[in-house]
Amino acid sequence: EDQVTQSPEALRLQEGESSSLNCSYTVSGLRGLFWYRQDPGKGPEFLFTLYSAGEEKEKERLKATLTKKESFLHITAPKPEDSATYLCAVQAMDKLSFGAGTTVTVRA
Amino acid sequence: GAGVSQSPRYKVTKRGQDVALRCDPISGHVSLYWYRQALGQGPEFLTYFNYEAQQDKSGLPNDRFSAERPEGSISTLTIQRTEQRDSAMYRCASSLAGQGVGELFFGEGSRLTVL
Repeated sequence: EDQVTQSPEALRLQEGESSSLNCSYTVSGLRGLFWYRQDPGKGPEFLFTLYSAGEEKEKERLKATLTKKESFLHITAPKPEDSATYLCAVQAMDKLSFGAGTTVTVRA
Repeated sequence: GAGVSQSPRYKVTKRGQDVALRCDPISGHVSLYWYRQALGQGPEFLTYFNYEAQQDKSGLPNDRFSAERPEGSISTLTIQRTEQRDSAMYRCASSLAGQGVGELFFGEGSRLTVL
């Protein structure tokens, strides 16, 4: 069974304080690893897809990396608008299995 | 429409009643997924369709849950004889990809409360 574990559960940052979120996974036949952002009361919003170990993707202050066992989402110099829950998901076959998420709060 | 639309946004029902949740995906999207999300958790897969064909229903908790997408567009998730444990946010997502997942576009969800 696919397993996705995200840590930490919650992260409180000062504006400008860079940090990383971890997503470790166990899946048979990884077809892709996805990062989504979810704001309170909203549906998840797609950020990145990573397909193979060593791959990196960047978007504004966010950078996602992938190894054979885990993925990291690096937040560089975060701003209050980066506050959200970040969800990691793995694709095996034709569905995504999500982790529980990391809730990031960035204080001004 | 511009995005995935779900209705009703909120549904309160009494235990034992049947409920139907509707999802209108982005026009032209081949794949449609249903997920359930508990507070503080990530979405949990229920079922998905490519066009009108239900491809995988392994995530449906029991036979009180069913879903259909008869014309390959709008989908309905039906829960019969609701129980309190069915209370959750039900999310629909659609994808352009016909094979594989690609990028999922999620709706705002239908929050179900069973009293």
